[in-house]
Amino acid sequence: SQTIHQWPATLVQPVGSPLSLECTVEGTSNPNLYWYRQAAGRGLQLLFYSVGIGQISSEVPQNLSASRPQDRQFILSSKKLLLSDSGFYLCAWSVTGANTEAFFGQGTRLTVV
Amino acid sequence: GENVEQHPSTLSVQEGDSAVIKCTYSDSASNYFPWYKQELGKGPQLIIDIRSNVGEKKDQRIAVTLNKTAKHFSLHITETQPEDSAVYFCAASMGTARQLTFGSGTQLTVLP
Repeated sequence: SQTIHQWPATLVQPVGSPLSLECTVEGTSNPNLYWYRQAAGRGLQLLFYSVGIGQISSEVPQNLSASRPQDRQFILSSKKLLLSDSGFYLCAWSVTGANTEAFFGQGTRLTVV
Repeated sequence: GENVEQHPSTLSVQEGDSAVIKCTYSDSASNYFPWYKQELGKGPQLIIDIRSNVGEKKDQRIAVTLNKTAKHFSLHITETQPEDSAVYFCAASMGTARQLTFGSGTQLTVLP
């Protein structure tokens, strides 16, 4: 069966520090991968999505970047965090080429102080 | 691009009553409509979905209806229980790699 792992679960970082959140998927090949941000426990904002290794589409100009160094690995990064980067970050995957559900990780609660 | 609106933003019901959450979408090309439940501090999980060739789908106490002409779909939860309390999201997809556009969420509270 397929599983998605996202870590860390919680993170407190000072303003100006770098960020790296990692997400891996097991049990499937060539998935579509997604990073979402959720502010104030509500709406899901799509930040990045990827249809293959090295292929990243950005939805919203951010202080963030994403990379996909391996087929089932998706990384969210920042060189210098801002207070406004605080939020709940969710990684998700879906089957390539099919109109199906997205499977979410358990999320990372990021607090920038 | 697609825009999904969801109402209400908060909903309180008595245990045993029914709850209805409604969503509208803007792009007639959308053909897949999932509903997610998110419990506090966790990632959203799919509870039911419907495709454009179906008008209604039911799974025990949960049902979803779709009106493609009017471009709206609804989630119905009957015989609500306290464990149904959560944030519910609707979404729409055209089947592109970008996949889902989410509504803004509904905080459902089931009062004992």
